[in-house]
Amino acid sequence: SQQGEEDPQALSIQEGENATMNCSYKTSINNLQWYRQNSGRGLVHLILIRSNEREKHSGRLRVTLDTSKKSSSLLITASRAADTASYFCATATNAGNMLTFGGGTRLMVKP
Amino acid sequence: EPEVTQTPSHQVTQMGQEVILRCVPISNHLYFYWYRQILGQKVEFLVSFYNNEISEKSEIFDDQFSVERPDGSNFTLKIRSTKLEDSAMYFCASRTRATNEKLFFGSGTQLSVL
Repeated sequence: SQQGEEDPQALSIQEGENATMNCSYKTSINNLQWYRQNSGRGLVHLILIRSNEREKHSGRLRVTLDTSKKSSSLLITASRAADTASYFCATATNAGNMLTFGGGTRLMVKP
Repeated sequence: EPEVTQTPSHQVTQMGQEVILRCVPISNHLYFYWYRQILGQKVEFLVSFYNNEISEKSEIFDDQFSVERPDGSNFTLKIRSTKLEDSAMYFCASRTRATNEKLFFGSGTQLSVL
């Protein structure tokens, strides 16, 4: 089974619009993290939300977590062309110390 | 800001050859990881390493793979006999002692097996 599946797989919006990406997972988690990947580059950590938190903000990013539905969303407000990238959710369980990544959402922000 | 460094950025090899991918994690980090990403697909966990031993590994990390921390700074991934399906971007990552915290990733090594 897949742990951490994002939807949509691809999203295209105009600059200034908001972008919402969703992530679902299957097992209990300690925390959920969102990462960004520019084309062909490494992943950069954006935000971490713990299992006892419901919402977290960082600049133009807003993350929610619903552990009853095993889902999370990442909202990027007032998007910019520079936000164009792939965004991945990753889950950390209490059992291990690794992160399990989802398939990612490819976001394109058109100027 | 400190960063994880990976070399080489690109590696081309013939099927059956051995390759060693190199990483220099952030200096005060204690947990080290290798992930890989086949083009257009998800980022897959290979192995985690702590206190000079493997702490977890995935099904992908079979007997053809090994990791080593030969000195106080380098962390290497060796593939003994490469296969075509090993072609992927390999990412090294590290983190501090704190449990379940964020990972810092390198820029990756693009491995092409011909």
